[in-house]
Amino acid sequence: DTAVSQTPKYLVTQMGNDKSIKCEQNLGHDTMYWYKQDSKKFLKIMFSYNNKELIINETVPNRFSPKSPDKAHLNLHINSLELGDSAVYFCASRGGFLNTEAFFGQGTRLTVV
Amino acid sequence: AQTVTQSQPEMSVQEAETVTLSCTYDTSENNYYLFWYKQPPSRQMILVIRQEAYKQQNATENRFSVNFQKAAKSFSLKISDSQLGDTAMYFCAFMIQGAQKLVFGQGTRLTINP
Repeated sequence: DTAVSQTPKYLVTQMGNDKSIKCEQNLGHDTMYWYKQDSKKFLKIMFSYNNKELIINETVPNRFSPKSPDKAHLNLHINSLELGDSAVYFCASRGGFLNTEAFFGQGTRLTVV
Repeated sequence: AQTVTQSQPEMSVQEAETVTLSCTYDTSENNYYLFWYKQPPSRQMILVIRQEAYKQQNATENRFSVNFQKAAKSFSLKISDSQLGDTAMYFCAFMIQGAQKLVFGQGTRLTINP
């Protein structure tokens, strides 16, 4: 059973399009994240949700809108895609206060052409 | 703001050798956690080892061990008897206790040569 699963794994789309990436975790964790890994492999947090509530929004453009319908799901919708959005997007989850380990999905490689 | 620095962009060693990856961090907090994550070519992020700042004893996981120097804010990873499967990007990461954010270093690309 996959602990944190993202779909799709690969996404190629044209500039200006709108796309979504879905994430689901079956670990019963309260906290979920979206991270962006750029072409230089640098990982930067975008959003953090705790029990469906937005906790962290790291100065991400408004074109990125996360949605958490329940605490097991955190989807990422991106409007008006730009070339600079090309990256690998990782979903992750983490348990409660004392559960420090973050479990990552396999990543979604987004390519905007 | 917390920062994590990995000063070695790339490293390469022969199989069975021991290799040490460096990591330094900057924080004014006293309670935090440090991690090393491995990212093989498959792209999956895998936790290698974790260290609680309040523990003086260095964490070990089989062939992986850390040298945690709290005063120096240093957290290096030692891989003993390196194997071809250890070839990957390695990321040092930091999280303040009770916080939501995991902050990553720039990564070190490690290649194990046969």
